[in-house]
Amino acid sequence: GAVVSQHPSWVICKSGTSVKIECRSLDFQATTMFWYRQFPKQSLMLMATSNEGSKATYEQGVEKDKFLINHASLTLSTLTVTSAHPEDSSFYICSAPRDGQLNTGELFFGEGSRLTVL
Amino acid sequence: SQQGEEDPQALSIQEGENATMNCSYKTSINNLQWYRQNSGRGLVHLILIRSNEREKHSGRLRVTLDTSKKSSSLLITASRAADTASYFCATGGGNKLTFGTGTQLKVEL
Repeated sequence: GAVVSQHPSWVICKSGTSVKIECRSLDFQATTMFWYRQFPKQSLMLMATSNEGSKATYEQGVEKDKFLINHASLTLSTLTVTSAHPEDSSFYICSAPRDGQLNTGELFFGEGSRLTVL
Repeated sequence: SQQGEEDPQALSIQEGENATMNCSYKTSINNLQWYRQNSGRGLVHLILIRSNEREKHSGRLRVTLDTSKKSSSLLITASRAADTASYFCATGGGNKLTFGTGTQLKVEL
């Protein structure tokens, strides 16, 4: 199966700092990637759709200036949590479909990044 | 917004027993998927069932879909301790998936 790598797997930072999370498709190209946020024992909430070479599409209620997304290549999307605050502490997960298989439905997920803001 | 509601929220069974999880959704779908998430990890795709299918099998997994009731069920037969995880149903198009609330399954030895 396709592999999506996410880094770092966990990070602790101080309030006010910015944190970057990387999502890489290792053995396939992904023009589109998705970023999700998950609170403890809850479901995944779609934050934004990352598009290679163009601006990300954010879901309603997600601050685009707070969560900066860059999809600079066909295998890499980054999520930067800017000026992080304790309420940004969460589990962030990226996912991607294989290019050309957007309609098959199956997504491949990274292992997630747990952010703790002190 | 959450498309799917799952029940039960939590399920605890003994190894060897069957586990059944249910998912209800609100709008019409092209397909429905089930994913598994081990604690603190990413999600793993289990099975996809199309709207014109009523039942699908994969190993110890059996998924049913009733589009008239807008519901699906996931059955895990002969459960193992390693099946302990959260299970989510997901619907959506263009790979923009919306996940259900999830069922936390615990399989005890």
